[in-house]
Amino acid sequence: DADVTQTPRNRITKTGKRIMLECSQTKGHDRMYWYRQDPGLGLRLIYYSFDVKDINKGEISDGYSVSRQAQAKFSLSLESAIPNQTALYFCATSEPRDFMSDTQYFGPGTRLTVL
Amino acid sequence: SQELEQSPQSLIVQEGKNLTINCTSSKTLYGLYWYKQKYGEGLIFLMMLQKGGEEKSHEKITAKLDEKKQQSSLHITASQPSHAGIYLCGADGQAGTALIFGKGTTLSVSS
Repeated sequence: DADVTQTPRNRITKTGKRIMLECSQTKGHDRMYWYRQDPGLGLRLIYYSFDVKDINKGEISDGYSVSRQAQAKFSLSLESAIPNQTALYFCATSEPRDFMSDTQYFGPGTRLTVL
Repeated sequence: SQELEQSPQSLIVQEGKNLTINCTSSKTLYGLYWYKQKYGEGLIFLMMLQKGGEEKSHEKITAKLDEKKQQSSLHITASQPSHAGIYLCGADGQAGTALIFGKGTTLSVSS
């Protein structure tokens, strides 16, 4: 079984709808992240959480919110979806071995299309 | 803020040829990560470099971090169609923040 899972894998929705993307991990990591990937722009960080009580905004948090329900679960919500939120969304986890290293492990991605 | 620039943006090579992808940082790198992504799929961790001059290899892929720790290269020897995909470099952001990534290099291998 995959260590980091994302649901759904694909979603098509309409402008104005509320959407939730879910991420679960069995790696036992404290740190979890949400990224979006757009062609030509690479990966950009939306939100990250270093433990259940810690939530931080990333580079592009506007229009998004998150919930860390448990160590293993981190959800991303689009309160009112708009077409420019069409992208590939990735969840990742990590557990730093030391101060200067923090390998991230990524889920398979969710392809979201907002019409 | 730190930025990572990858070159080239895209690359087409013939099967069996060698190739190199570069990742240059605007600031000193304290941890440099290489990932591979197949089109539209998740990222696969390849390797991580921390020390200046460090070199790591996995099968036919070798990554190096230069002595000044501001540039890393990824070298693939005798490329195969299975090497095709998008290669991304990532670096530790400021202390207590998440990784930052380059925009990726798209590799195509023609048979």
